[in-house]
Amino acid sequence: GESVGLHLPTLSVQEGDNSIINCAYSNSASDYFIWYKQESGKGPQFIIDIRSNMDKRQGQRVTVLLNKTVKHLSLQIAATQPGDSAVYFCAENIGGSYIPTFGRGTSLIVHP
Amino acid sequence: ETGVTQTPRHLVMGMTNKKSLKCEQHLGHNAMYWYKQSAKKPLELMFVYSLEERVENNSVPSRFSPECPNSSHLFLHLHTLQPEDSALYLCASSQGGGGTGGDTQYFGPGTRLTVL
Repeated sequence: GESVGLHLPTLSVQEGDNSIINCAYSNSASDYFIWYKQESGKGPQFIIDIRSNMDKRQGQRVTVLLNKTVKHLSLQIAATQPGDSAVYFCAENIGGSYIPTFGRGTSLIVHP
Repeated sequence: ETGVTQTPRHLVMGMTNKKSLKCEQHLGHNAMYWYKQSAKKPLELMFVYSLEERVENNSVPSRFSPECPNSSHLFLHLHTLQPEDSALYLCASSQGGGGTGGDTQYFGPGTRLTVL
């Protein structure tokens, strides 16, 4: 079965709120994780990544948190904007493999 | 722009047709991928090429035939498809061969395929 999955298929937030998108993984050998954003009519685009030797990584308005104890990954988006509306995928790479496994995706809807 | 282009963007074909999807990457990457994306399903990895050698073929029906003539180009040849093959077909590239693990993929915009 799938080793990467998402808790919530759809997340609706108000503009300006913070958003949190969650992802569970089951393979303890995974050592690299990536979040992708897919807007309507486009392919997925890289947002942020994190390696298993880190717990947190910050980008511009985005933060990824990794909890290896419970095999959980989250993407936090600060001050969510309408342009953040998209489907967000997490992906994992297992121990040295460059071929990722993707989760199902969460649709983020931002209301103005 | 991600540096990965795909043509055509939209394709409608009958079950008896033969068509090809094209992907080109301008990033100097060594690995290229074909994915199928259907509604409400995770991305399905179809084929992986690394340095023009096919390294993965995930039990894809033989009506899909990939071709990688060089590290910058990837094709997906289609023949006698079924309506359930209708989906978004995404091409991606990456550095590949990540000995330390972890490799960011760069995706094209996809080809929206409809099989009648």
